[in-house]
Amino acid sequence: GAGVSQSPSNKVTEKGKDVELRCDPISGHTALYWYRQRLGQGLEFLIYFQGNSAPDKSGLPSDRFSAERTGESVSTLTIQRTQQEDSAVYLCASSITRDRAIGYTFGSGTRLTVV
Amino acid sequence: GEDVEQSLFLSVREGDSSVINCTYTDSSSTYLYWYKQEPGAGLQLLTYIFSNMDMKQDQRLTVLLNKKDKHLSLRIADTQTGDSAIYFCAEKHSNTGKLIFGQGTTLQVKP
Repeated sequence: GAGVSQSPSNKVTEKGKDVELRCDPISGHTALYWYRQRLGQGLEFLIYFQGNSAPDKSGLPSDRFSAERTGESVSTLTIQRTQQEDSAVYLCASSITRDRAIGYTFGSGTRLTVV
Repeated sequence: GEDVEQSLFLSVREGDSSVINCTYTDSSSTYLYWYKQEPGAGLQLLTYIFSNMDMKQDQRLTVLLNKKDKHLSLRIADTQTGDSAIYFCAEKHSNTGKLIFGQGTTLQVKP
């Protein structure tokens, strides 16, 4: 597609439930990133995929968070046993490769609310 | 550490210049970026600068980089109400390719 697409755009879930967030990167972009943005705060790096290399999971806040990516296509971010502190906007971005200057293209995000 | 620091708020009058400042920590960063986030919208790449440059100008935007002090600034000339947004500074680490973002500076433009 023309841009990075994320779904759902909004998700309200009960505490303790699992949620799955989806990201469709721009076709041909080998690098894909997930960030979290809590209300009024900056972007917190979560995980990074680059081609077939092992993902950089150094930003995942706990073992309740996991992410998968099949090849150079769709990625899913899964949060198990959601907690209220997981409420945030989850942003996905992609770029052609990690070394390009042009930076990332971001999706519009998924707003997750845990009640 | 991987900290990128920005002041949180800036208020200017329409027509004035705005200067948003940022400090970063990784001296090996290859590129530094400015992103704009409007209410309810995603992040939009405004401009970027390669680490061996001191300055980059793009229409109303001027980016200044002081590599010695690890200081980056974004100047917006003739600021308009449509420039009201949150501006994020980011550095790209040369070894990991990760973008590390600051907390964002909210720019308020008063008519």
